[in-house]
Amino acid sequence: GAGVSQSPSNKVTEKGKDVELRCDPISGHTALYWYRQRLGQGLEFLIYFQGNSAPDKSGLPSDRFSAERTGESVSTLTIQRTQQEDSAVYLCASSLRRYNEQFFGPGTRLTVL
Amino acid sequence: TQLLEQSPQFLSIQEGENLTVYCNSSSVFSSLQWYRQEPGEGPVLLVTVVTGGEVKKLKRLTFQFGDARKDSSLHITAAQPGDTGLYLCAGGGSQGNLIFGKGTKLSVKP
Repeated sequence: GAGVSQSPSNKVTEKGKDVELRCDPISGHTALYWYRQRLGQGLEFLIYFQGNSAPDKSGLPSDRFSAERTGESVSTLTIQRTQQEDSAVYLCASSLRRYNEQFFGPGTRLTVL
Repeated sequence: TQLLEQSPQFLSIQEGENLTVYCNSSSVFSSLQWYRQEPGEGPVLLVTVVTGGEVKKLKRLTFQFGDARKDSSLHITAAQPGDTGLYLCAGGGSQGNLIFGKGTKLSVKP
């Protein structure tokens, strides 16, 4: 079966523009996570969806960041009025259930000029 | 706040050498996971350790979970260039997410 996919793989944008990143999780996985990874750094938790429960948004760095998920399928991460410090790889992961092994997508490399 | 500290941050060795990387915390974790990430890809799970004192082996890789479940180590025997990558440890956060360390970047030269 297919793994986690993300699109686009690369995104270059100008400061102040909005961007939308997409994640297609593995079918049947109820949990979905977004992380940010700056160059040479570990993974920074952003947001977590579990089934139809309210998402855990505790990792979102500012109100310019938001994410949605439709049921147990696709998720989109939106960054409004992008800043240069938003440049990073954004990774999505899904797992069968909370606390299970997470399967990661290849990430979206965002560059804000 | 639960934090995981990994050491060393960087490691460059010759093929055939042995190495150990460490993952430490002041917090107790119910389980710890080790991932390897190659450039341009997402992390891939290597192993999950759940019991204090547990030792798991995956070919040339040996993983150990500390008795108090606050630390873990990864030992690689006779490292190969294919072992090159970023090794990340992760523990289960209270909200269901994973808390990651900053990783150890390993380079194995032929």
